[in-house]
Amino acid sequence: EVQLVESGGGLVKPGGSLRLSCASSGFTFRSYSMHWVRQAPGKGLEWVSSISSSGNYIYYADSVKGRFTISRDNAKTSVFLQMNSLRAEDTAVYFCARMILVGATAFDYWGPGTLVTVSS
Amino acid sequence: SSELTQDPAVSVALGQTVRITCQGDNLRTYYGNWYQQKPGQAPVLVIHGKNNRPSGISDRFSGSTSGNTSSLTITGAQAEDEGDYYCGSRDSDDHLMFGGGTKLTVL
Repeated sequence: EVQLVESGGGLVKPGGSLRLSCASSGFTFRSYSMHWVRQAPGKGLEWVSSISSSGNYIYYADSVKGRFTISRDNAKTSVFLQMNSLRAEDTAVYFCARMILVGATAFDYWGPGTLVTVSS
Repeated sequence: SSELTQDPAVSVALGQTVRITCQGDNLRTYYGNWYQQKPGQAPVLVIHGKNNRPSGISDRFSGSTSGNTSSLTITGAQAEDEGDYYCGSRDSDDHLMFGGGTKLTVL
């Protein structure tokens, strides 16, 4: 059974940092690109960042570029999101998601999410 | 533009058919995918690509694309189909995106 579980969320002051982790199991992690998607309270989904299966290709939404860093450890079957210079508008539930292996750029499995609150 | 537009809310009578649409220039090139989200839960993929349903998704759900519009059709809507529906796609720079979401109410 495919499982994704995020951790590392919490309350942080504006300008602070957090590191999110997403532990995976039940599939060949090194074969899949992995992604972070967030959802502000009461709002829609927003793509945040992507990392290819090898880690060689990385992409960021303009809203987080230069502040967030995505990485992965294929040996530990985990993906990470280092978030620096956090702002109030970064407050959201952060989901990690696996992209479907072939075909459309769709996310076929999601974690339950971890809440990040940026507030003084 | 790299945006996907959805109607904020749609309603359907129990057992009837409803179509939820998503418009965007990128949909002329890339397929739209569809996600269902219920309160407090992670999204669930219901349609991907041309018209593919992941394992376990009801055959009430189907997808189609015409021009710059991707559509999700629910045939014979059930109470459990209530929720928020998001389309998702990509652009030529491998950036991903979602529509603003459509809240579906089953009456």
